[in-house]
Amino acid sequence: TQLLEQSPQFLSIQEGENLTVYCNSSSVFSSLQWYRQEPGEGPVLLVTVVTGGEVKKLKRLTFQFGDARKDSSLHITAAQPGDTGLYLCAGEVRGTGNTPLVFGKGTRLSVIA
Amino acid sequence: DAGITQSPRHKVTETGTPVTLRCHQTENHRYMYWYRQDPGHGLRLIHYSYGVKDTDKGEVSDGYSVSRSKTEDFLLTLESATSSQTSVYFCAIRTSGRDEQYFGPGTRLTVT
Repeated sequence: TQLLEQSPQFLSIQEGENLTVYCNSSSVFSSLQWYRQEPGEGPVLLVTVVTGGEVKKLKRLTFQFGDARKDSSLHITAAQPGDTGLYLCAGEVRGTGNTPLVFGKGTRLSVIA
Repeated sequence: DAGITQSPRHKVTETGTPVTLRCHQTENHRYMYWYRQDPGHGLRLIHYSYGVKDTDKGEVSDGYSVSRSKTEDFLLTLESATSSQTSVYFCAIRTSGRDEQYFGPGTRLTVT
């Protein structure tokens, strides 16, 4: 059973379109991170959210942590080819101390010029 | 980039040979991790370390061992490589406080 479910698995859109990807769980998380990974490279941390309902913006990317801290979303406005990559969410389950982060399997985004 | 390097970056080896991958960090982080990444499986934790000589197994630890004799180095060893261990291996560190993980550039291992 995957603790963090990401959807969609694959997304192919035209440059300029908006999109949202989701990260869902039945567990409560102390914090949740989003990463972007490009081919041949390691995942790069984009943002960490820690408070229920928190919204963070990174240029055209908007990250939201659910009120109950069980889910998160990433919204990209006016997508560009440079946004292409694998987006991963990861989190620390609340009450598990220093156990390793749980990772979703990712959403692979392709933005076509 | 949290000062993480991995070596080698690419390796081709034959079935049955031993292989050691190295992860080196420069910022004295306590926690270090080894993952493998395969299509359809995402990132899977192999082993992790919470201090010098302190390690624990992840979800896919069979066939792998690790050692951490000093804070900055975390070694992953395949005692007898198999074709199923062909993968991309990532090392990561975890910062204290915000519990954020930062990844190294990866090692692409091919077992023929």
